[in-house]
Amino acid sequence: NAGVTQTPKFQVLKTGQSMTLQCAQDMNHEYMSWYRQDPGMGLRLIHYSVGAGITDQGEVPNGYNVSRSTTEDFPLRLLSAAPSQTSVYFCASRHLETQYFGPGTRLLVL
Amino acid sequence: DAKTTQPPSMDCAEGRAANLPCNHSTISGNEYVYWYRQIHSQGPQYIIHGLKNNETNEMASLIITEDRKSSTLILPHATLRDTAVYYCIVRVGHGSGNTGKLIFGQGTTLQVKP
Repeated sequence: NAGVTQTPKFQVLKTGQSMTLQCAQDMNHEYMSWYRQDPGMGLRLIHYSVGAGITDQGEVPNGYNVSRSTTEDFPLRLLSAAPSQTSVYFCASRHLETQYFGPGTRLLVL
Repeated sequence: DAKTTQPPSMDCAEGRAANLPCNHSTISGNEYVYWYRQIHSQGPQYIIHGLKNNETNEMASLIITEDRKSSTLILPHATLRDTAVYYCIVRVGHGSGNTGKLIFGQGTTLQVKP
């Protein structure tokens, strides 16, 4: 199993640009989520999904959209990037009591 | 979810046991204690979790006090690769109907020294 994969590893955007961060898992987990981590801070939940077709907001959802058309994929869309969205983004999936995190995408918004 | 309090940093000598404390005095009866760690620049890694009883796996042991108001994560023989930020998280179990959200605080930065 590849586990949780994320692409790209690193991205630079200009203010106002849009982009999609990709997340995929091959473990057939129903629950998936997106977090952001700012320098020196803990992770904060952006959006999560309890299964295909079902998504909900976390702590910091503003400026982000998600969809869940398949069990495997959970993309995160930035509609109009802002410098405040400069962060490291982690995707995770869950099985029972264990969450599995991807390697992260480092995003710099200029 | 109950609030947790952890020391911001700790040191440990390589080969010795690392004991990381966590206070969760407002924990409810149905809330579990979870531990994750984050090695520099990587995604968080699950370590262990428990409800009431002490737990042990291949990575660590979790000791929960009888009143459940605090717990200790024990890495029995710390290595340099255990240098990381360790997060103690308290929340209800991920049973059916639960959202599975994890709330990460600041954690404890463990530095294992040669």
